[in-house]
Amino acid sequence: DTAVSQTPKYLVTQMGNDKSIKCEQNLGHDTMYWYKQDSKKFLKIMFSYNNKELIINETVPNRFSPKSPDKAHLNLHINSLELGDSAVYFCASSQRGEDQPQHFGDGTRLSIL
Amino acid sequence: GQNIDQPTEMTATEGAIVQINCTYQTSGFNGLFWYQQHAGEAPTFLSYNVLDGLEEKGRFSSFLSRSKGYSYLLLKELQMKDSASYLCAVISIKAAGNKLTFGGGTRVLVKP
Repeated sequence: DTAVSQTPKYLVTQMGNDKSIKCEQNLGHDTMYWYKQDSKKFLKIMFSYNNKELIINETVPNRFSPKSPDKAHLNLHINSLELGDSAVYFCASSQRGEDQPQHFGDGTRLSIL
Repeated sequence: GQNIDQPTEMTATEGAIVQINCTYQTSGFNGLFWYQQHAGEAPTFLSYNVLDGLEEKGRFSSFLSRSKGYSYLLLKELQMKDSASYLCAVISIKAAGNKLTFGGGTRVLVKP
């Protein structure tokens, strides 16, 4: 039943490690997104994909690499994790169109030790 | 660039009305969303405005003035479960596609 699901929900790891977060949506949406919400609760767009194609990349360090194997999946791989990467990462999806609301996953809480 | 301002925190009493203001400056404005986010949960869609005026949806209403770069979210008959953060977000047209930019959120605390 879950519309946008992301795994894992919690991720605790050491600085310098590489980790991945997976996201899947069963809403039939064409567009998927990754957002980062920091400790001050600002929600910032990182990437946007439409039908497996990258359309927005918001000056994110190239340690972050999104991958969209099909339009229902958008995974996020992070290399060489740093302390500043600690945040909640949200995946979202929407239909095409500026009036279409985005549906968010429950978030992945990433803590770097 | 884009600038979206909203108050950090507001407190109100159960049964009362609260108005959360949002001002924005952006190029290529293409609409404004309000989302609700309970602590530790995902943001959920509340409303969308693209034309000037008031959109009403049950206890929640949202207003937009494009000329003033201003919106508000009105919550009526407040309930304890309305305690949450309310995020104002502007969608703007970019060369690559539409981009949604969020304000910092307004945390609303409803007291008995």
